[in-house]
This record gives sequence, structure tokens and C-alpha cells, in this order.
Amino acid sequence: DAGVIQSPRHEVTEMGQEVTLRCKPISGHNSLFWYRQTMMRGLELLIYFNNNVPIDDSGMPEDRFSAKMPNASFSTLKIQPSEPRDSAVYFCASSYGPEQYFGPGTRLTVT
Amino acid sequence: KNQVEQSPQSLIILEGKNCTLQCNYTVSPFSNLRWYKQDTGRGPVSLTIMTFSENTKSNGRYTATLDADTKQSSLHITASQLSDSASYICVVHNDMRFGAGTRLTVKP
Repeated sequence: DAGVIQSPRHEVTEMGQEVTLRCKPISGHNSLFWYRQTMMRGLELLIYFNNNVPIDDSGMPEDRFSAKMPNASFSTLKIQPSEPRDSAVYFCASSYGPEQYFGPGTRLTVT
Repeated sequence: KNQVEQSPQSLIILEGKNCTLQCNYTVSPFSNLRWYKQDTGRGPVSLTIMTFSENTKSNGRYTATLDADTKQSSLHITASQLSDSASYICVVHNDMRFGAGTRLTVKP
């Protein structure tokens, strides 16, 4: 199994631009999680899906952030418009049961 | 105030030595407490998962303990190896409370 796949691995964009991060969970997993990690705040849960349905989005910082999971094998996290303070590493994780498997992350830099 | 506090922030030990990392939490109740290892530039990898009623859980040279009365957990690493150099993150799973992590460096 290839594990959780995230793309792109690195993204550099200018303030105000739209950014879309992508995630392919491990086949057969029914839960998907989006996290953000910064030096200042550590790891934070943004949103998680169960069977493609958003269960808890209380961690989404503001309306500029949105996440979708149109099917069991694909999810996106969109930031529009992006701001410099959104610069972070964004992780996607998937699970079937308590064990979560993290992807390699997308390093986002907003200038 | 973060509800999961980890100590120390960083730790340097010599290869072959043992070490213990601490996690104090105020989250209660919770479904489980987890320890993750995160290598630089990679996503976290699960080491142990303990439910509220468990006291200890081992995974090779890693042993996690949980004291629900004092709301403390520890991760003990035995016979450290250079590859143990990483950040170790404590997570209390109810609404996903993360500690800031302990950065461990193992030197030869």
C-alpha cells in the first residue's frame, strides 16, 4: 500500500491566491483528518470526515478554509484567499479504527 | 492554556541510554491517549494507544504509562538508538488535544 498520498508536497503562493491541497487516503479507511502544524501552535486538527461526511469542523480557523470529500478516495482542503499566517505544514491522515496513518504533508508558504 | 503539557521541550542523550518523556493533561474524560513519533520532514507515526483504563502499553523499546488519577502519561525509551532522534507528541483523544512535543536528540 502506498500509504496516504498528499499533493503537492510544497506550495509557494502569493497572498490573496487560492490554494488547494489534495489527499488520497489509504484504501478501505473510512475516516479522514486534516491537520495543520506550525512551530508556534504545534499540531491542530482542522476537520475530520467519517464515511465522506464532515463530522467536526470546529478546528477550521475561518471561512477562508473549506474542505470536501466527494468520495472515499479523495479529499481537498482549500484556502481562499490565502494569507501569510496560513503558512504551515498541512497533514492529511486516514484511519479504520483508532490507528491514524499520516501522509507526508504539504508545506505551504504564503508570501 | 494548552490542556496537554509535555516536558521536557528538548532532550539530548547518548546512544544506548534510556530516557523518559512526560505528558500532563487536564482533558477529562477522554477515549484514549496516544504517543506519536515524528521524524523531521515527515508525518507523525503512532507508537502507542492507551484507553482510559490501561496503565501501560509497550511497542518494542517504547513503553507508555498512564496514571489517570494524576493525569500523567510517560513514554520510556530503552537503549536509545540514533534513529530515535525525533519529536514525540502526546495526544489526548476526545476532541484531539495535542501536546507541543518533546524534541529528542540521540548522539553517538
